[in-house]
Amino acid sequence: EVQLVQSGVEVKKPGESLTISCKGSAYTFTSYSITWVRQMPGKGLEWMGTVNPRDSSINYSPSFQGHVTISVDKSISTAYLQWSSLKAADTAMYYCARQNTALILWGQGTLLTVSS
Amino acid sequence: QSALTQPASVSGSPGQSVTVTCTGISSDVSGHNYVSWYQQHPGTTPKLMIYDVRDRPSGVSNRFSGSKSGNTASLTISGLQAEDEADYFCCSYTTRGTVFGGGTKVTVL
Repeated sequence: EVQLVQSGVEVKKPGESLTISCKGSAYTFTSYSITWVRQMPGKGLEWMGTVNPRDSSINYSPSFQGHVTISVDKSISTAYLQWSSLKAADTAMYYCARQNTALILWGQGTLLTVSS
Repeated sequence: QSALTQPASVSGSPGQSVTVTCTGISSDVSGHNYVSWYQQHPGTTPKLMIYDVRDRPSGVSNRFSGSKSGNTASLTISGLQAEDEADYFCCSYTTRGTVFGGGTKVTVL
């Protein structure tokens, strides 16, 4: 089955670092970009950035540039989203999605709670 | 880039049609044909309903249709059903990146 599987629920404290993952399966991972999307509690969808697994090029949303790091390891068909110092405001659901001209295939989401 | 503008809510009775609009700046909605729409029920992952302005993925009901005029894209739901009650988000893909609308809650009265 073609799918994106994300890492599990995270509960962290402010200031801690974190990397979450998104693993593609049953398709050629380098054929499609991976986009990360944030959804804060009760709010809408926000584009964070998109990575091309073929050449690891990344296009960040200006709203997230400098606050997160997106990366990819095509050898294991996995994309990553990383924070070096979490804040309470990072509490949200994070989705990865496979991108053509639309977000056709979505991961199940990773719920992140940042609280002291 | 600014978010695309959607009405906060629209409603309709079962069997009626409702239209959700999505207004963007010229470099987003009107500049490309890469507008998509997503349905999200509470607590679930977004689901692609329309891509490239008017195309439906396999398995999506033909009660859902998309269109675009100038810098406004539209999603129309015909023959409204209780299961259509959800949040709907428009999205525009450009070479500079992706931008979402703020979302519209569709209520079935």
